[in-house]
Order: sequence, then C-alpha cells, then structure tokens
Amino acid sequence: GENVEQHPSTLSVQEGDSAVIKCTYSDSASNYFPWYKQELGKRPQLIIDIRSNVGEKKDQRIAVTLNKTAKHFSLHITETQPEDSAVYFCAASTGAGGTSYGKLTFGQGTILTVHP
Amino acid sequence: EADIYQTPRYLVIGTGKKITLECSQTMGHDKMYWYQQDPGMELHLIHYSYGVNSTEKGDLSSESTVSRIRTEHFPLTLESARPSHTSQYLCASSSPGTAFYEQYFGPGTRLTVT
Repeated sequence: GENVEQHPSTLSVQEGDSAVIKCTYSDSASNYFPWYKQELGKRPQLIIDIRSNVGEKKDQRIAVTLNKTAKHFSLHITETQPEDSAVYFCAASTGAGGTSYGKLTFGQGTILTVHP
Repeated sequence: EADIYQTPRYLVIGTGKKITLECSQTMGHDKMYWYQQDPGMELHLIHYSYGVNSTEKGDLSSESTVSRIRTEHFPLTLESARPSHTSQYLCASSSPGTAFYEQYFGPGTRLTVT
C-alpha cells in the first residue's frame, strides 16, 4: 500500500520568514495530494491540494509543488504569521481510480511554530 | 447547516464498558471514514465505508466495529473498552462530486479509558 513520509516533524520560524514542509510517497499511481492544517484542539481542514496533472499550485501565501518523477511534493508558506502555527499534514490518494475509493494516506505531521 | 457532527466530544469511561461514538453528516456524502489520532499527530485510518451496508477495515488494525445503515450515519463501537483505546477519534466524509474525494472532518471525540 501507499506510504507517505513527511519532514521535518517540527519547524520553528520567525514571523515573516518562509516555511517549507516536504513529503515523499511510494505509490506511483497516487494522483491527488492534499494538505491539511490542524490547529490545537480543532479538526483538520483542507488548505490546498494538487492533482498529478499540474506541477505547482498557489493560493495567496500558500503554494504546493509536485514532482511526480521523484515522487515528492512540498508545501511552501511565505510571510508566515503567528496564526499559521499549527500541525500540517500531507496526504496522498489514488482518487477514484482503482480500489482506493478516495482513501487518503497521511504523513506523520509537522508542528509549525511561528514566533512573533 | 451542512456539516459533519460527532458526539460525544469527550468521554471518560472505565475498562470493560461498551461504547458507541456517533458520527453524522448532512452533506450528502457517500464515503465516510474513521481515523484514530494520538495527541497532536499522525492520522491512522481504521474504518471506511463506500455507502450504505458497505464497510471496510482501514490500514491500522482496530478492535472497534462500524456500521452504515443510513447514508448520513456512521457509528463506531467498542465492545469492551481498554486503556489502550485512549485516543482521539475523528470521523470524515468525502464529496461525491469530484474525482478526488476531498475529505471533510468532524470535530472529533476524545476518549479516555481508565
């Protein structure tokens, strides 16, 4: 089955700096890569996703890049703010194809702390 | 309001008790999932369902069971709770309208077994 590795496990930055979180996946059939943000005591929420037919997607201060050949994808947060402090999870899925039926395999999570 | 709901939010229970964690969604989603999450970190899929009367075990072995008798309802049951079951349990559902099934999470149930 799919295996997703996420690094680093913790990341501490100063407000205004950039933060980068990286994930690798094992199943070359995976074609959907969402990122979730989970604030303390809250539910995970989707912040951005990318499909395998694009290499990069951007939404304001957040961007995700995908390298299908190397089987890795990254989350980039620019101009970080204290409210970006949370746990971030990457995930991979084969979408509706095959027998996965939308199952997500999550990475281990990254605790991001943005210091004012 | 269309959302996914979980009850109870917090539960402290003694060893050996039978418990049911409730999950309901009003978004019309056909796929539903249960995850176990230890404090702060990794999400492990323990059960999922494609639709009514369809359930499958997830990647993490679990002593819990699930049922899907109605589209909107996906309860999880532990027949005999043990301290090793102490964790947060998150329910999720996914959209039937896209090919990639974005998942939406409930607020979670934090279970403590004493």
